[in-house]
Amino acid sequence: NAGVTQTPKFQVLKTGQSMTLQCAQDMNHEYMSWYRQDPGMGLRLIHYSVGAGITDQGEVPNGYNVSRSTTEDFPLRLLSAAPSQTSVYFCASSRAASQPQHFGDGTRLSIL
Amino acid sequence: AQTVTQSQPEMSVQEAETVTLSCTYDTSENNYYLFWYKQPPSRQMILVIRQEAYKQQNATENRFSVNFQKAAKSFSLKISDSQLGDTAMYFCAFMKRGGSNYKLTFGKGTLLTVNP
Repeated sequence: NAGVTQTPKFQVLKTGQSMTLQCAQDMNHEYMSWYRQDPGMGLRLIHYSVGAGITDQGEVPNGYNVSRSTTEDFPLRLLSAAPSQTSVYFCASSRAASQPQHFGDGTRLSIL
Repeated sequence: AQTVTQSQPEMSVQEAETVTLSCTYDTSENNYYLFWYKQPPSRQMILVIRQEAYKQQNATENRFSVNFQKAAKSFSLKISDSQLGDTAMYFCAFMKRGGSNYKLTFGKGTLLTVNP
């Protein structure tokens, strides 16, 4: 019973590098989302998707790209990493947007 | 845009006692959902309770209950018979119901410590 799986769990990047954070869910959920969590800031929505082929911006989308080619996968791409993107990233999914979200275990990303 | 405010950055409570965490929100919407999520030191985000704004009855889940005051835009969480395992960061969250804007907005959180 995997639920929402995020990889990697930890990553260190250099400024300017690019990378993709992976998120997969096996619950056939339509809604998926990415958040970042910074100290004292709570969780902030980066991008979300209401189904395959449909994505939209959240509160803090700059510097991140997403795509949703399948129901199961929702990768988050950092195009050119910056120190301000050092954070813990959470992926979440739910059966529908209004339903409670299931969260992955998070990815701790450090950018030097 | 919606905002969610948790005015208590930290709270503590003795084991077996009751504690209430505050949450207020600002919105012009009439139909929406409110949530409380718990994040223990393991970093997992766990749903505690969900309230639909059109329902007047306050939601309850075992030892957890809410006091939902729609006119006051207040959504507090009461934890009864606190247990050591309740030690966690608690986040209040808001989502508009319907339309095409499916954004979950979180408060900054309240760190709750349950003392033995």
